[in-house]
Amino acid sequence: EIVLTQSPGTLSLSPGERATLSCRASQSVSSTNLAWYQQKPGQAPRLLIYGASSRATGIPDRFSGSGSGTDFTLTISRLEPEDFAVYYCQQYGSSPPITFGQGTRLEIK
Amino acid sequence: QVQLQESGPGLVKPSETLSLSCTVSGGSINSYYWSWIRQPPGRGLEWIGYIYYSGSTNYNPSLKSRVTISVDTSKNQFSLKLSSLTAADTAVYYCARGSIWAGMFWFDPWGQGTLVTVSS
Repeated sequence: EIVLTQSPGTLSLSPGERATLSCRASQSVSSTNLAWYQQKPGQAPRLLIYGASSRATGIPDRFSGSGSGTDFTLTISRLEPEDFAVYYCQQYGSSPPITFGQGTRLEIK
Repeated sequence: QVQLQESGPGLVKPSETLSLSCTVSGGSINSYYWSWIRQPPGRGLEWIGYIYYSGSTNYNPSLKSRVTISVDTSKNQFSLKLSSLTAADTAVYYCARGSIWAGMFWFDPWGQGTLVTVSS
């Protein structure tokens, strides 16, 4: 089973700052098989990034994804108030074919 | 645009079987991988399984012995059955559409989720 470990667990930043969230896989993941989601309290997750670096429809360009192998990054270039939420990475591949990271909480400093 | 809506009981007893349905509106259930994902209160996401519109399934090995996912294309619905419930199955259950393209896989859109509590 591929385990995804996200860091940090909590990230405290101010609006306007840059956020860098990490997702590390226990085994190599094809760069096409990594997605990122945003979840706000009481809401379902929302797709942000698929294929490690492709933005989903309607996602602002301040969100970007990168990485390959075992290390992937979600970057938010300039934080807006609505970006404070929990972020999850997800991989698709070996059994079980789908796993999620434990999440990074992005909170207002 | 495609929307998903879960339905089912909010409270089930230990040892019983949970039955949830997901209705797909605004688009056809044909094609795509129709999925169930759950989230225990205050915790992360766990993939339960998916069904392709043709009926083929794939389940999380940790739940496989207790899970059945089925699809009714005539009703544009798919369903989840989870048996032998314990308190550990208390969670928000989401349905979601899974897409595969060029080796990539992602969930979009998601239903709003339904809280299921397992308690006597």
